[in-house]
Amino acid sequence: DQQVKQNSPSLSVQEGRISILNCDYTNSMFDYFLWYKKYPAEGPTFLISISSIKDKNEDGRFTVFLNKSAKHLSLHIVPSQPGDSAVYFCAASEGGGSNYKLTFGKGTLLTVNP
Amino acid sequence: DTGVSQDPRHKITKRGQNVTFRCDPISEHNRLYWYRQTLGQGPEFLTYFQNEAQLEKSRLLSDRFSAERPKGSFSTLEIQRTEQGDSAMYLCASSLFRNQPQHFGDGTRLSIL
Repeated sequence: DQQVKQNSPSLSVQEGRISILNCDYTNSMFDYFLWYKKYPAEGPTFLISISSIKDKNEDGRFTVFLNKSAKHLSLHIVPSQPGDSAVYFCAASEGGGSNYKLTFGKGTLLTVNP
Repeated sequence: DTGVSQDPRHKITKRGQNVTFRCDPISEHNRLYWYRQTLGQGPEFLTYFQNEAQLEKSRLLSDRFSAERPKGSFSTLEIQRTEQGDSAMYLCASSLFRNQPQHFGDGTRLSIL
């Protein structure tokens, strides 16, 4: 059973607009969450993370929001750029940090159109 | 910081053969992880090491799979008697401290004929 779910396989947005990628989880023991970006033929690259003691973390154009009661997190990219086109993976861990095994969602393919 | 290095990038072999992959983590990273990714799925955890100690293994790691990190630096993942279902991308990652992210290599793609 999928403990981390990304229900949108793909998302298309216009350059300059906001991209919102969603992720749901079922395991209440997860306490640390990360987003990775993956280009074809490359390994995943870390984007941003959030601990369960926070509800928001921001890094430049990227913001992650966490709603623990709904077991939901989202990644906002503002403004979206064509170079953001990639597969985005949501991941979660139980150890309070990223230094433990990660459970990934299936990913969302983001396409940013010029 | 030269990044996580994996070798080979692509391995093609016949069913029943043994294969071995190598991962060189970022220097001084004490934790090293192996994941497997199949088409349309996210990476799935296989195992991880703290220095040379293997701390956790997934149930995905059948007895045909063995991973080692003999001196706490590079790691090898061996698959014996390969099966069609072993075809996947095998990803290695490393990390240093508790809240430092795992850095991934570009993976080894295994194709079973």
